Amino acid sequence: NAGVTQTPKFQVLKTGQSMTLQCAQDMNHEYMSWYRQDPGMGLRLIHYSVGAGITDQGEVPNGYNVSRSTTEDFPLRLLSAAPSQTSVYFCASSWGAGGTYEQYFGPGTRLTVT
Amino acid sequence: AQSVTQLGSHVSVSEGALVLLRCNYSSSVPPYLFWYVQYPNQGLQLLLKYTTGATLVKGINGFEAEFKKSETSFHLTKPSAHMSDAAEYFCAVSLYTSGTYKYIFGTGTRLKVLA
Repeated sequence: NAGVTQTPKFQVLKTGQSMTLQCAQDMNHEYMSWYRQDPGMGLRLIHYSVGAGITDQGEVPNGYNVSRSTTEDFPLRLLSAAPSQTSVYFCASSWGAGGTYEQYFGPGTRLTVT
Repeated sequence: AQSVTQLGSHVSVSEGALVLLRCNYSSSVPPYLFWYVQYPNQGLQLLLKYTTGATLVKGINGFEAEFKKSETSFHLTKPSAHMSDAAEYFCAVSLYTSGTYKYIFGTGTRLKVLA
């Protein structure tokens, strides 16, 4: 059971470049989400999905796109990278959208935009 | 507005001393409450959670937390700190609002354990 996996672990982009952060889980969780972690700001929700084909915006969605074609995968796309998107990105999954369900986190992707 | 406040972004304790990390929430209804730990260069993992029932919740690695509705608090404690407890700790709440659940994280407390 690999849990939640993320690739790549590290990435450096130039301003304006695009890229996709990959996230996969093997626990058959319906709910998946993307967070960014910045010093002193905790975790902020970017986008989330309650099941295949269903996505919605979180707290800080601008500049990011997501899709959910399968239960297992939930990629995050940066359309045109900006220095403000320098952050650590975490993917998480859980049995349900909140309530009593805890979230399972991936190891993170550290992104630097120059 | 609903929120989670963690008092103290950095806490230092001596090895063997009591660990107390504070978390207060703001909500009109009692939420579900969680503590997560993040070791360096890793993702978050669940320490413990309160849903219903007994207000004193025991978690992994000797940590426990008590839900106090009157104080809207969910402080995390450990009787005796170990060097391996050095990490960042996040309090989180799950609130039901406007027909959906919302998960809110605090800003985190970095725990340093001194030899």
